[in-house]
Formats: sequence, structure tokens, C-alpha cells
Amino acid sequence: QKEVEQDPGPLSVPEGAIVSLNCTYSNSAFQYFMWYRQYSRKGPELLMYTYSSGNKEDGRFTAQVDKSSKYISLFIRDSQPSDSATYLCAMSGGNQFYFGTGTSLTVIP
Amino acid sequence: SAVISQKPSRDICQRGTSLTIQCQVDSQVTMMFWYRQQPGQSLTLIATANQGSEATYESGFVIDKFPISRPNLTFSTLTVSNMSPEDSSIYLCSVASLGPLETQYFGPGTRLLVL
Repeated sequence: QKEVEQDPGPLSVPEGAIVSLNCTYSNSAFQYFMWYRQYSRKGPELLMYTYSSGNKEDGRFTAQVDKSSKYISLFIRDSQPSDSATYLCAMSGGNQFYFGTGTSLTVIP
Repeated sequence: SAVISQKPSRDICQRGTSLTIQCQVDSQVTMMFWYRQQPGQSLTLIATANQGSEATYESGFVIDKFPISRPNLTFSTLTVSNMSPEDSSIYLCSVASLGPLETQYFGPGTRLLVL
């Protein structure tokens, strides 16, 4: 079983839609949860991070962690064409980092 | 967050040659990593660059093929040796922030094409 599972997509939505991106994991020791955005031909950019369970909101983005279900989500409200990118989830605990395979998102104008 | 630069940003190389990629960070960091990302794929960790000692390689990666240097806390190099077309990839340097918050920051990447 992989440490982190992420649906690769691709996901295509119309502009203005709410996007939900998800990852599941198996290691209960993970304490830090991150979402990265990667535009084509660029390095991953840290978008959001959370510690332990709960929600964190930043503008149109909300990160949600449910440690009891080992499930994390990233919600994008009012999606824009500029949100078109690959989104990678990542987790860490005890100096070990694990990345999902990434979900490719296209927001259609 | 750390600001990370990589050189070169891209290169086209001939089979059998070697390329050294440089990673510079604007602040001292404890942990630096090198990743490979092949087209349409996620990140694959090559090794952890350790300051003052040999790098720690992941399964499937060896020092003879990917020698790494880490002379200080702000700089590291990755060499891709005796290249083949299968080495065509994006190579990414990252640094880890530890302590109260564990996360990683990535450089812009080096796009390598081997002919």
C-alpha cells in the first residue's frame, strides 16, 4: 500500500466552479499536511499547509484534514483559469516526507 | 520561506556526458533534497544531501550515477553522470523547514534533455 494516494485526474471544470482535490494516507504518524501547486515547466510551489486535524482557509483556498479518516482535501472556490495546474498533496512526520502523484486541473473559461 | 535558485534552468546534452546542477539557498538550511520528476509523473526522491558527509540515496539511485556535494548549509550540487535518454527529466532541489513546522520548499527545477 502506498503511503499517499491521490487521484491523478485529469480534472476539468468550468470557471467559477468549486473544485475538490483529495488525498488519502496510511501512516498515522503524519502530522504536517501540505498542498503544492505546480504550473507547467515550473517547480512545485507551497500553496497551503496545516498541522494536525482541522481546516485552514486562505482566500479562495481551504485545506481540510481529517486524521481519523486519514483523508485530506483542498477546496478551491470560484475557480479561475489561472488555477489550471497540477496539485500535489504532501505529508510529513518525523522528518519523512511523502508526496502524492498530483492531480491535473484545468479550469475552462 | 527560503528562496532557492538552480543552475542551469535547462540543458540539452549528448548521451554519455555528465551534467552538474547547482542549487543555492538564500539562508542556511539543515536538510536539502534532490528529486527527479519525469514527464507527467510525480516527484521521486533521489537523495538527501548531507552537509559534511555523504548523501543518503534512495532505493534505485547510486552515488556513481548521481554524485552529490554539499559543502555548506546553503549550497549543493547534483551530477547526472554518463547520461542516457532515460535521464531526461526535471531535476528539483528542495529544502526542508523543520522544528515547529515541517514542510519543503522547491527550486524552479532544471529541465534536462538527453539526446
